[in-house]
Amino acid sequence: AQSVTQPDIHITVSEGASLELRCNYSYGATPYLFWYVQSPGQGLQLLLKYFSGDTLVQGIKGFEAEFKRSQSSFNLRKPSVHWSDAAEYFCAVGPPSYQLTFGKGTKLSVIP
Amino acid sequence: DAGVIQSPRHEVTEMGQEVTLRCKPISGHNSLFWYRQTMMRGLELLIYFNNNVPIDDSGMPEDRFSAKMPNASFSTLKIQPSEPRDSAVYFCASSTKETQYFGPGTRLLVL
Repeated sequence: AQSVTQPDIHITVSEGASLELRCNYSYGATPYLFWYVQSPGQGLQLLLKYFSGDTLVQGIKGFEAEFKRSQSSFNLRKPSVHWSDAAEYFCAVGPPSYQLTFGKGTKLSVIP
Repeated sequence: DAGVIQSPRHEVTEMGQEVTLRCKPISGHNSLFWYRQTMMRGLELLIYFNNNVPIDDSGMPEDRFSAKMPNASFSTLKIQPSEPRDSAVYFCASSTKETQYFGPGTRLLVL
């Protein structure tokens, strides 16, 4: 069975500081991995995805994520956080045309 | 493209009433998904369709919930009768082979 763990429920960072959100997954084959962002009252927007190839994936809004097979991780990073990045972030695993399994999410707060 | 369209965006109803949520997927997408999001349980997959056919409805909480996809451009999720514990945000998503795209959600409150 596939599963996703996001160990941090809530993270607070200062504007301009770097950010890393953790994601660990369990999946029986080569994983399809995703990061989505949800602003308050909005739907989920895709930040980036990994299917194969280069393990460092670039996404929108300056985000990147690194796939580490040995650690079953797909952590999301951003070198300098902006106040508009405050939102909830979801990691997901699975084939997108079938069933994605989502983590519980990490809420990001940004201090001015 | 307008993206995934859901209606209504907000629904307030009384316990026992029937609720119908609607979704228009992105044109050309072959798969459609209904999710429910709550604080306690997070994001849960209720049911998904492939080429208008229900593939997996194991996430539907009980017989009060039903979903249909009569054609490639429309799907409904119905709750009858509704209960206060059904209060949640319901998302519809459609997908290509590579990416799921989410609608803005319907915020349902059952009093």
